[in-house]
Amino acid sequence: GAGVSQSPSNKVTEKGKDVELRCDPISGHTALYWYRQSLGQGLEFLIYFQGNSAPDKSGLPSDRFSAERTGGSVSTLTIQRTQQEDSAVYLCASRPENQNTEAFFGQGTRLTVV
Amino acid sequence: AQSVTQLDSHVSVSEGTPVLLRCNYSSSYSPSLFWYVQHPNKGLQLLLKYTSAATLVKGINGFEAEFKKSETSFHLTKPSAHMSDAAEYFCVVSDIGGYNKLIFGAGTRLAVHP
Repeated sequence: GAGVSQSPSNKVTEKGKDVELRCDPISGHTALYWYRQSLGQGLEFLIYFQGNSAPDKSGLPSDRFSAERTGGSVSTLTIQRTQQEDSAVYLCASRPENQNTEAFFGQGTRLTVV
Repeated sequence: AQSVTQLDSHVSVSEGTPVLLRCNYSSSYSPSLFWYVQHPNKGLQLLLKYTSAATLVKGINGFEAEFKKSETSFHLTKPSAHMSDAAEYFCVVSDIGGYNKLIFGAGTRLAVHP
């Protein structure tokens, strides 16, 4: 597809379970970002990839959160032992290497921890 | 370090009156600046971007913004508000010092009244 694709679009999980969220960036985009948006809030930066490496992981809230990116393309955000406060919309964005270009966002994964 | 401050969390205008959404930024390098809009239950859409070319930038739906380096501002304006402009607006900064990481402001919720 032409845009950033995220899956699943919705995920309901029980407290304590692990979840994996997937992001397929636009082909050729070297930069990939994960953000979290809680209800009625702004965007909280989680992690940024340039190619397969993550120069900035400063936004990951705890060691229960991890992310990887393989082949400079698909990225997976994993949340272990989910807690209710993890409920939010998780947004992925990709961007060409040139910093003068905008980032393109996916529609997000709405995670609900019950 | 980069940062963005959106000076108003909520702005309310009447339809047909001007819109002003204020944004101040901090950057040690030549920044790129963006405005994104998020309509209720929708994804993030780029309104406009500044990337060191013309300081007055025109975007979609009649919005424009002016980059003022001396004031470190990038305020978003529209001459005449429309009901469909009601949404959340985010100011975003990116610079090479931050590995091109996108830093979002907290957002401004725009309400448009008949």
